[in-house]
Formats: sequence, structure tokens, C-alpha cells
Amino acid sequence: ETGVTQSPTHLIKTRGQQVTLRCSSQSGHNTVSWYQQALGQGPQFIFQYYREEENGRGNFPPRFSGLQFPNYSSELNVNALELDDSALYLCASSITGGNEQFFGPGTRLTVL
Amino acid sequence: AQSVTQLGSHVSVSEGALVLLRCNYSSSVPPYLFWYVQYPNQGLQLLLKYTSAATLVKGINGFEAEFKKSETSFHLTKPSAHMSDAAEYFCAVSEGGVGQGGKLIFGQGTELSVKP
Repeated sequence: ETGVTQSPTHLIKTRGQQVTLRCSSQSGHNTVSWYQQALGQGPQFIFQYYREEENGRGNFPPRFSGLQFPNYSSELNVNALELDDSALYLCASSITGGNEQFFGPGTRLTVL
Repeated sequence: AQSVTQLGSHVSVSEGALVLLRCNYSSSVPPYLFWYVQYPNQGLQLLLKYTSAATLVKGINGFEAEFKKSETSFHLTKPSAHMSDAAEYFCAVSEGGVGQGGKLIFGQGTELSVKP
């Protein structure tokens, strides 16, 4: 059984650029959630995708957007990057109605 | 709205000593509670979860936690610390069943150091 994978591992961008992060969910999982973890903080919920539609969103601006594909993989897109977007971005997958989310290793984004 | 408070951003114990990491939650509905561990430069690994079954929950690596509704607490314990337990620990509450908008709300984390 393959766990949650994320790519790339690390990424460096400059302010104003756009970035796409990718996540492959664990086998059999149809729900994907994205979290932002700033240095020294707990993860903050960005949004969740279920059946290719956004299913809940945290307190993040519209320049944070996402997609879920028929194979349940997902992308997180961030436009007009700001310095404060520098963080570890975590993807978690789960099954509908399940209580447990399985996390990937994360993508470390640095915005200069 | 639900929230989680972890008391103590940093806890230091000696190898072999009791580990106690504190977590208090606020929830208007019966909560689902979790403890996750994060090793440096890694994602989150689930240690244990409470989902309204037994109030004493046993997890991996010898950790356990007790749900106390009257105290709104879900403290994490381990009888004897090991050097490999050094990591960041996060307590989290779920708004509801996953797939029902059940986002996880995390505490700020507690860094556990283990001295030889």
C-alpha cells in the first residue's frame, strides 16, 4: 500500500510568482485536505477536496486554490506569492466518513 | 468554534522519566481528538485518536492519552521516555467526520526533548 506522496520536496520562489504543489492520496482514499504549517506553528487548514469539489475552506485568501482529479490526486496552487507564504505545506488523505487523516511528508516552500 | 491549547511549547525530560504533554480542547460537539508526532523535516504521524469509544486510548510507541470530558483535556503520556521520542507533538480536534468538512484544528505544538 502506497502512502501519501507530495512533490516537490523543496521549492524556492520569489515574491509575486505562482506555485503548484502536488499530492497523491493513499490508495483507496477519496478525500484530500491541505494544511499550511509556518515555522514553529501548528498546521492550519487551507481546504479539503471531495469528489473533485472543494468541501470546506479555512481562513485563506482566494489566491490559494486547488484541484482534485478523478484519481483523487490533488494540486494546491498559490498565486501572487508573498513572503508569509513561506511554510511547509502538508497534504492529508482520508476516506469518506473516516476519522483519520494520513499525512504526506510535505513540501517546503520558501518565498524570497 | 473548536480550539486546542497545548500547555508548554517545550518539555524536557530525562531518558526513562515520565512524559506528560498537556492538551485542552474546546468543542461544542462531541469531539474527535488526535495526537500527532512530527520528526524534523517530516510530515505528521498519528500516535493515537479518541473517537468516543474508550476514554483511555493506547497508541503507538508506548504512548497513551486519557479523554476527560469534565476537564476538557486529552493529555498524552508515556511511562518511560526514550531518546527516539524527541520530536514535536501536536494535539488536534476534528470538526466532524472526515468528508463532512471535518478539518483538523491543531494546537501550537510541544517540542519534547529527552536528555540522556
